[in-house]
This record gives sequence, C-alpha cells and structure tokens, in this order.
Amino acid sequence: QKEVEQDPGPLSVPEGAIVSLNCTYSNSAFQYFMWYRQYSRKGPELLMYTYSSGNKEDGRFTAQVDKSSKYISLFIRDSQPSDSATYLCATPKAAGNKLTFGGGTRVLVKP
Amino acid sequence: ETGVTQSPTHLIKTRGQQVTLRCSSQSGHNTVSWYQQALGQGPQFIFQYYREEENGRGNFPPRFSGLQFPNYSSELNVNALELDDSALYLCASSFGQGMSTDTQYFGPGTRLTVL
Repeated sequence: QKEVEQDPGPLSVPEGAIVSLNCTYSNSAFQYFMWYRQYSRKGPELLMYTYSSGNKEDGRFTAQVDKSSKYISLFIRDSQPSDSATYLCATPKAAGNKLTFGGGTRVLVKP
Repeated sequence: ETGVTQSPTHLIKTRGQQVTLRCSSQSGHNTVSWYQQALGQGPQFIFQYYREEENGRGNFPPRFSGLQFPNYSSELNVNALELDDSALYLCASSFGQGMSTDTQYFGPGTRLTVL
C-alpha cells in the first residue's frame, strides 16, 4: 500500500462546477498536509497547507482533513479553464519537510 | 515564478552514462531538496541538503549523489544511468533547517531521457 494515494483521473468538469479532489494516507502519524498544483511542463506550486482536522479556506479553494478516516480533500469552487492541471497531495512523513506525494489527479475544466 | 531555476531543461543520455543536473535556489534559501517524478506519477524524494550537508535521503541507490555549494546552488549527479532513470528531476528550495512547516519552492525541472 502506498503511503499517500490519489485517483489519477482525469477528472473533467464544466467551467463553473465544483472540483472535488481526494487523497488517502496510511499512517496516522502524518500531521501536515499540502496540496500542490502542477501545470504541464512546470514544477509543483503550493496551493494549500493544513495541519490537524478541519477546514481551511483560501479564495476559491477549501482543504479538509479528516484524521479519523485518514482522508484529505481539496475543493475548487467556480472552476475556471486555468484550473486545468495536475493536483498533488503531499505530506512530510517524518520530521522535516521531505515530502511524500500522492500520484496526482489530472483535472480538466472545459469552457 | 518561484525564483528557482534548473538546467538544462532537457537532456538525452544513453544507458551507463553519467549526468549532472543543476539547480539555483531562491535567494537566501539554505535548504535544497531533489525529487524524481516519473511520467504520470507524483514526485519521489531523493535527498535534501542543508548548509552543504546531506540532511536526509530517500530510497535511492548510492549512484544518486548531490552537492550543495556556499552560494546555495546545487547539483544532482547520477552515475551508471538506467532506463528507469528517465524522469523529470525537480529541485525545491526552502528557508530554514527543513522543518515540516518550511514551504518548498519548486523549479521547473529537468527532463532526462535515458536511451
């Protein structure tokens, strides 16, 4: 079992729809969770950073962590074609910021 | 743009050769991490350097080695290239000792193809 797992997609949605992305993780000791966005031929860029269970909102993006289920989610409201990218969840599995990534979910927002 | 640059952009090598990839960290960032991203997969942690010393290593063989220089630029060296080494190699810089809360800023990557 991989430590962090994501559905690879692709996830295709119409412009304006809500995009819902999920990750599961295996180790209950993981505490910090990040969502990165990666455009084609680019490096990942940090979108959201969460610690502990609950919600965190930043503009159109909401991140949720459910530690009891070992489940993290990212919601994108009012999706735009520019949101078309691969979304990666990640966690530092030990002390420090050496990240373990999920496989990424490719999202396509159609105009 | 993150201010992290990598060179070259693309590289083609043959099996058994050696390769050196370079990264220039964002100004003032004293920690650099390298990741390997195979096609269609998430990045995998290779190793991290803090103030020119290795500060953690992932599950990669010794033929993957690195250096960090006083000006915070760094190199990833891979010896005896194998076909499976074909991937996008990403470096990421951060300020600090590599704490969990230190944000990493990724470069655009070097695409390595091994034939």
